[in-house]
Amino acid sequence: DSGVTQTPKHLITATGQRVTLRCSPRSGDLSVYWYQQSLDQGLQFLIQYYNGEERAKGNILERFSAQQFPDLHSELNLSSLELGDSALYFCASSVDPSRDRDYGYTFGSGTRLTVV
Amino acid sequence: AQSVSQHNHHVILSEAASLELGCNYSYGGTVNLFWYVQYPGQHLQLLLKYFSGDPLVKGIKGFEAEFIKSKFSFNLRKPSVQWSDTAEYFCAVNARWGGSQGNLIFGKGTKLSVKP
Repeated sequence: DSGVTQTPKHLITATGQRVTLRCSPRSGDLSVYWYQQSLDQGLQFLIQYYNGEERAKGNILERFSAQQFPDLHSELNLSSLELGDSALYFCASSVDPSRDRDYGYTFGSGTRLTVV
Repeated sequence: AQSVSQHNHHVILSEAASLELGCNYSYGGTVNLFWYVQYPGQHLQLLLKYFSGDPLVKGIKGFEAEFIKSKFSFNLRKPSVQWSDTAEYFCAVNARWGGSQGNLIFGKGTKLSVKP
């Protein structure tokens, strides 16, 4: 157990639907990152939140959105789902990425999304 | 923009063989470098990391990596692999500037299969 909790572990849904993935960061970590892992694209950075505010955006589609709540858990919302959205979605957390010091990401076990 | 290249998509070795996985990054400034491992069905785990100092970094499970700044490389090595090292290995980099750090950018991964 890495300390980063993601739910659900597996999700099967139909095209056009909307799903919400949840992530609870490791205790003490203020920043949450979302990554999408697919066979052809590898690990793609989607978005980062720090202490409730969006900090950085990567290759996140407009159909996707995220937020980080006051208790620091984060949700990734995926809407108008397409077959190509099937992937493993990872959440990671870190303490404070803005400080130039030794740090690293701790990853959760991921949510496997299958769109049928 | 930063990018990370992992030269080998799939490496197959017999137990006790030596391992070297290549990783090159493109970024002209100061970077932090990481290797993560993902065992089948599990989350990414940190193997080792480089921030500064000795360019030869030792990690868990007998892995080490050498940062060669002139070659923009951070190759992963292990003198003698075991069947239990079968996993996917990801190189990652993030840029550092002033007191800040950018997001982790991952390579596409190298799948290692170790034959017993």
